[in-house]
Amino acid sequence: GESVGLHLPTLSVQEGDNSIINCAYSNSASDYFIWYKQESGKGPQFIIDIRSNMDKRQGQRVTVLLNKTVKHLSLQIAATQPGDSAVYFCAENIRGYNKLIFGAGTRLAVHP
Amino acid sequence: DSGVTQTPKHLITATGQRVTLRCSPRSGDLSVYWYQQSLDQGLQFLIQYYNGEERAKGNILERFSAQQFPDLHSELNLSSLELGDSALYFCASSPGQGFEAFFGQGTRLTVV
Repeated sequence: GESVGLHLPTLSVQEGDNSIINCAYSNSASDYFIWYKQESGKGPQFIIDIRSNMDKRQGQRVTVLLNKTVKHLSLQIAATQPGDSAVYFCAENIRGYNKLIFGAGTRLAVHP
Repeated sequence: DSGVTQTPKHLITATGQRVTLRCSPRSGDLSVYWYQQSLDQGLQFLIQYYNGEERAKGNILERFSAQQFPDLHSELNLSSLELGDSALYFCASSPGQGFEAFFGQGTRLTVV
């Protein structure tokens, strides 16, 4: 499975700093990637996506980087705010399959 | 609000019972996905439907089944419930494969 039980990796940052959350994927046939944010008790919320023909995409305060050579995806959050505290999941779509496969998740804790 | 509606929000039932979870996708979305999330864990893909047909299956138990109706809403049926089935069950919808999936708020199932 894709879960890590109760011990989600945690990234602690100071308010105002930039955050970088990393995700490794394993399938070379993955052609579409999404970052989701999940706040406690809520459903995952779409943040930003990127297709495999791109290596960078920017949104509002967020940037996703894709390195297909090493199968690595990252989410950069600029000027992190307390409201950014949540669990962040990357998800990949494997070409030819019909499901999003989620990574284990990273908990982001923002401290004042 | 993602536009995906799940009912009920909370469900408490006894072991051995059967329950049905309901999902109404976003208007126009043909794909519906079901995911299970146990306490503080990642999202486990269960099953996907596209325009009424099953398209992908994940780690779904034989005691669980789903269907998508002509009006595109979907139901997830969980039977012979066990304590370990207690989890959040999320439904997500998307226009099709290779598009971001939007999640509902989930149904929290507690089996006692």
